[in-house]
Amino acid sequence: TQLLEQSPQFLSIQEGENLTVYCNSSSVFSSLQWYRQEPGEGPVLLVTVVTGGEVKKLKRLTFQFGDARKDSSLHITAAQPGDTGLYLCAGALIQGAQKLVFGQGTRLTINP
Amino acid sequence: NAGVTQTPKFQVLKTGQSMTLQCAQDMNHEYMSWYRQDPGMGLRLIHYSVGAGITDQGEVPNGYNVSRSTTEDFPLRLLSAAPSQTSVYFCASSKGLVFETQYFGPGTRLLVL
Repeated sequence: TQLLEQSPQFLSIQEGENLTVYCNSSSVFSSLQWYRQEPGEGPVLLVTVVTGGEVKKLKRLTFQFGDARKDSSLHITAAQPGDTGLYLCAGALIQGAQKLVFGQGTRLTINP
Repeated sequence: NAGVTQTPKFQVLKTGQSMTLQCAQDMNHEYMSWYRQDPGMGLRLIHYSVGAGITDQGEVPNGYNVSRSTTEDFPLRLLSAAPSQTSVYFCASSKGLVFETQYFGPGTRLLVL
């Protein structure tokens, strides 16, 4: 059983479309991070959200932390082929805050 | 700065063999961790360390040992490799606790036959 459930696990859309990836849990997190991973490389941090209800924007990417700090979403506007990759959410549990728990990942493909 | 380095990049082992995956960072980070990545399962924490001389278990520690004698190095030892340990292994480091950015190495791809 995955503590952090990401959906969808696979997403293939056309360039220019919008998309949202979800990261859900029944547990409360002190912070939540989103990473992006390219083939053959390690994940790279995109953003950290720490306050319930927080919204952060990174160009065409919008990240939101749920009010109850149990879920998060990543929204991409006008997707581009360069957005293709594996997106991972990771949460620091309120208890045992020295560990990160990762979701299964969302493999995103943007077709030209 | 080289960041986080891992060696080797690829390794093939026979069941029962032992080996050490090396991880080093040159950012003076206190927190280091080892993850394994399997298809459809994201990253799972194996062991982590909050400083030299201090290590603790993650979600999937069985079959792996770690030690942290210096701030820079955090090797992962497989005592007796099993096919279930076939995976991609990532080492990560950060300045402090998990609120900080985790910097990942390029990974070690391990195949156990």
